[in-house]
Amino acid sequence: DTGVSQNPRHKITKRGQNVTFRCDPISEHNRLYWYRQTLGQGPEFLTYFQNEAQLEKSRLLSDRFSAERPKGSFSTLEIQRTEQGDSAMYLCASSLGVGVQPQHFGDGTRLSIL
Amino acid sequence: AQTVTQSQPEMSVQEAETVTLSCTYDTSESDYYLFWYKQPPSRQMILVIRQEAYKQQNATENRFSVNFQKAAKSFSLKISDSQLGDAAMYFCAYRGAQGGSEKLVFGKGTKLTVNP
Repeated sequence: DTGVSQNPRHKITKRGQNVTFRCDPISEHNRLYWYRQTLGQGPEFLTYFQNEAQLEKSRLLSDRFSAERPKGSFSTLEIQRTEQGDSAMYLCASSLGVGVQPQHFGDGTRLSIL
Repeated sequence: AQTVTQSQPEMSVQEAETVTLSCTYDTSESDYYLFWYKQPPSRQMILVIRQEAYKQQNATENRFSVNFQKAAKSFSLKISDSQLGDAAMYFCAYRGAQGGSEKLVFGKGTKLTVNP
């Protein structure tokens, strides 16, 4: 069990640029989640995959955000035309796909918009 | 929509003492799950303890225990024999058991300081 891995750890970009984050879940986990955490707040749910299928999306996931999990393993989260308000920690979590299993979180990717 | 409220932004405790962190939630569902997660500074979030709403018995994990009051929609975390390594942000989270939603709904967190 190597844990959930997220890359990069930090991303600094100018407003208007596109960014992409990667998440590698724990190998046997077929559920994968993305959350966003801003300073002083708890994580907020963005989206959820079961294998390669995106089954749930939050209203927070505007049309500038897109998430994929093409082969049911790693996932990417892309933000197009970044805005100041996108500055946050983006957390990925994974869990087993049977019943209600605990979600295991990665270290997150901290996004800073200049 | 479900909401989770943690009314204590910060708490402190002396090493070896006991501290209780509060959490209340709002839901119309009858079946759900509640969690406490710990997030140490600059480190990943870790599950501390979970409680199934249909279970009357309060969950316990070593020095961590909960006081689950379903009617009051209250879910507090008690940390006994506090250790320096317990210092962290603690988040209460809710997950519904109906409707197929997998999302966790988190509170804003409580920052716990452990004084030597």
